Amino acid sequence: DVKVTQSSRYLVKRTGEKVFLECVQDMDHENMFWYRQDPGLGLRLIYFSYDVKMKEKGDIPEGYSVSREKKERFSLILESASTNQTSMYLCASSSSGQGLNTEAFFGQGTRLTVV
Amino acid sequence: DAKTTQPPSMDCAEGRAANLPCNHSTISGNEYVYWYRQIHSQGPQYIIHGLKNNETNEMASLIITEDRKSSTLILPHATLRDTAVYYCIVRVAGAGSYQLTFGKGTKLSVIP
Repeated sequence: DVKVTQSSRYLVKRTGEKVFLECVQDMDHENMFWYRQDPGLGLRLIYFSYDVKMKEKGDIPEGYSVSREKKERFSLILESASTNQTSMYLCASSSSGQGLNTEAFFGQGTRLTVV
Repeated sequence: DAKTTQPPSMDCAEGRAANLPCNHSTISGNEYVYWYRQIHSQGPQYIIHGLKNNETNEMASLIITEDRKSSTLILPHATLRDTAVYYCIVRVAGAGSYQLTFGKGTKLSVIP
């Protein structure tokens, strides 16, 4: 089974702290994604990456950065955490193949609280 | 990627078929229709996807209209464990198509 593993299930950080959220996938997928999910807003794409060292902004990149130094690992960075970044963060990965086998697999999520 | 429109919520009696509609009137010829669901406090789970033919797997059936402007996800015998938010997404599959954008989905409640 494909596994997407997020480093923490729950995190509590202080305002102004630098926060790293880590995601690892074991299926050699080219694409990796970071989303945040808030009540009433659904999933919103923050950043995605289609290859090592490549990244593209999603719908809400402000206040975030990402790093993809290895194919299996995609990190989300909050340079200076703020209370409005309190949210559920979801990582996903997918293959770049044609049609079949391109579904995304998600991690269990990290619930981040910024106080 | 084309946008989708789904009803915000639906109810379904346990044991009956749940039919979840999705409109994607601006879908392009090379865009697939994907369905995911998210059970409370878990990450989304892939259900099924298709291009223009109807598809069936062990979880559900996907019916796509001939003009491809809408589709219906069918859970043939809904159980309480199918209570979840269901997301319909259209996207191009293959090289160069990376972004996977979710809307607000349909909250399906299966009633005993």
